[in-house]
Amino acid sequence: NAGVTQTPKFRVLKTGQSMTLLCAQDMNHEYMYWYRQDPGMGLRLIHYSVGEGTTAKGEVPDGYNVSRLKKQNFLLGLESAAPSQTSVYFCASSSDSGSGTDTQYFGPGTRLTVL
Amino acid sequence: GENVEQHPSTLSVQEGDSAVIKCTYSDSASNYFPWYKQELGKRPQLIIDIRSNVGEKKDQRIAVTLNKTAKHFSLHITETQPEDSAVYFCAATSLLGSYNKLIFGAGTRLAVHP
Repeated sequence: NAGVTQTPKFRVLKTGQSMTLLCAQDMNHEYMYWYRQDPGMGLRLIHYSVGEGTTAKGEVPDGYNVSRLKKQNFLLGLESAAPSQTSVYFCASSSDSGSGTDTQYFGPGTRLTVL
Repeated sequence: GENVEQHPSTLSVQEGDSAVIKCTYSDSASNYFPWYKQELGKRPQLIIDIRSNVGEKKDQRIAVTLNKTAKHFSLHITETQPEDSAVYFCAATSLLGSYNKLIFGAGTRLAVHP
């Protein structure tokens, strides 16, 4: 059981470039999430998905898009990267009780720098 | 919007001492309060959680208390060890559309000195 994995681990982009971060989980979880972690600000929810084919906006969705074509994968896209998107990105997944009280399991993170 | 405040931002203790981290939340409908530990360069991992119908929960050296009236909850670590050194995050649920999301505190960096 690999749990939650993310690729790539590190990436450096120039302003205006695009990229996609991939998250995969092998726990058959329905819910998946993308967070960003900035110093002194904890984890903030970017987008989330409650099942295959569904996506929804979190607290800080601007500048990002997501897709959940397969249950086990959740992709985060940056169409035109900006320096403000320099951050560590974490993917997480959880099972579905509908209450929001299920344990979220996090991936190892992707450190993104936008120059 | 709803928020979670966490104090202190840094905490330094001697090995064997106790450590206490406190959080307050704003959403009176919050019903789930997990605590995550994040070691340097690693992913956050759940260490303990508490639901709104419980006032206290213990797991070995770790305990969490919840005061729903005052809207605050705390993490207590007893007999601290160097391996407890990490950043600790509290979180509380808050409704986003029809989904209960987690709102995280800003984190507490705990350093345990031998």
